[in-house]
Amino acid sequence: EPEVTQTPSHQVTQMGQEVILRCVPISNHLYFYWYRQILGQKVEFLVSFYNNEISEKSEIFDDQFSVERPDGSNFTLKIRSTKLEDSAMYFCASIREIYNSPLHFGNGTRLTVT
Amino acid sequence: DQQVKQNSPSLSVQEGRISILNCDYTNSMFDYFLWYKKYPAEGPTFLISISSIKDKNEDGRFTVFLNKSAKHLSLHIVPSQPGDSAVYFCAASLSSNTGKLIFGQGTTLQVKP
Repeated sequence: EPEVTQTPSHQVTQMGQEVILRCVPISNHLYFYWYRQILGQKVEFLVSFYNNEISEKSEIFDDQFSVERPDGSNFTLKIRSTKLEDSAMYFCASIREIYNSPLHFGNGTRLTVT
Repeated sequence: DQQVKQNSPSLSVQEGRISILNCDYTNSMFDYFLWYKKYPAEGPTFLISISSIKDKNEDGRFTVFLNKSAKHLSLHIVPSQPGDSAVYFCAASLSSNTGKLIFGQGTTLQVKP
């Protein structure tokens, strides 16, 4: 079964550094998402992306965050200047059709900001 | 933000018995509900969903029940198997045509052989 793949599985960065988390959604999927889970907390929606633009974003997704689909396969989340509180698991997800379709999640990237 | 709540952080059942995981929500505008399962070091895996126009949906050993008046849904797993041991998340959305999900905190299910 096709999978959403995320790299790296673990990223350690220093506070203030830029980090890019990478995702390869399932190939025929059209809608892309980033979620995150801070340790011990809920999985939270960050942003949705369709047709090369953001369709919705949460309050968490401030100017430090950006997303991009630079080519036909990758979907990236960039954090421009990382803070300690950005440490979390970041999950990428995708779906083909928007109606009544469950999200397919990747295995996540654990981001540790020191 | 407590729109979706799973009040039991953990549940332990014997293999072969029924597991019942519960979820409550506060926003009456939610109309699509999902259950995900998560193993350590993996992403959430979709299990089963239900639209607000239904009160029950079955898929093999998994059944989801929705009680809109009580704003409550539950996941029944029967019979439970040791491989079902995982964290189970309930999630809801305001519409079936959005991927923006509101998750509960999760319930850790342990199925003992």
